[in-house]
Amino acid sequence: DAEITQSPRHKITETGRQVTLACHQTWNHNNMFWYRQDLGHGLRLIHYSYGVQDTNKGEVSDGYSVSRSNTEDLPLTLESAASSQTSVYFCASSLAVSGEQFFGPGTRLTVL
Amino acid sequence: QKEVEQDPGPLSVPEGAIVSLNCTYSNSAFQYFMWYRQYSRKGPELLMYTYSSGNKEDGRFTAQVDKSSKYISLFIRDSQPSDSATYLCARNYGGSQGNLIFGKGTKLSVKP
Repeated sequence: DAEITQSPRHKITETGRQVTLACHQTWNHNNMFWYRQDLGHGLRLIHYSYGVQDTNKGEVSDGYSVSRSNTEDLPLTLESAASSQTSVYFCASSLAVSGEQFFGPGTRLTVL
Repeated sequence: QKEVEQDPGPLSVPEGAIVSLNCTYSNSAFQYFMWYRQYSRKGPELLMYTYSSGNKEDGRFTAQVDKSSKYISLFIRDSQPSDSATYLCARNYGGSQGNLIFGKGTKLSVKP
């Protein structure tokens, strides 16, 4: 069955370190998204991509970057992790730009 | 001001009750509205998808859009303990402006 996976599921890191969160989908969806979810803020869009080599900034993109070299993967990189980036990160993909987004299981990141 | 406002709750009801979950939005240009359900420590999953002018029913769930008051609602009939989750409303413009904006979510608990 097609699916969307995230790794790692849990990560503890130190401030200043570079961290990369992986997202892989097997639906062959062109559209992929990264969100963070925090108490009191809900889901907020970090970056998104509408296809290979396409990346765009979302609402809370500072301190994060993405690259899209193939259809299946959209890794999220925290260039220099900060305690404010402690959060749960969700990756999602969709077939149509305005269609249903399918979410991964999430990565819980703690920055000490 | 966030474009989609949602009461975070928590909301606690007895099993069998009718549940009403609500969101308000500020921009009349929105075309599509969605309700996602998120169980604890899981990714959100799409529950209902409606256009700005329609209502939709699916089993025990009914999604309703009131354009005049810019109100969207999700009704759950005969609520079950398995309905205990956080419910997120979301909207998008449709077409090429398809990115979702989520409300903060309402946490629902259905007591046996």
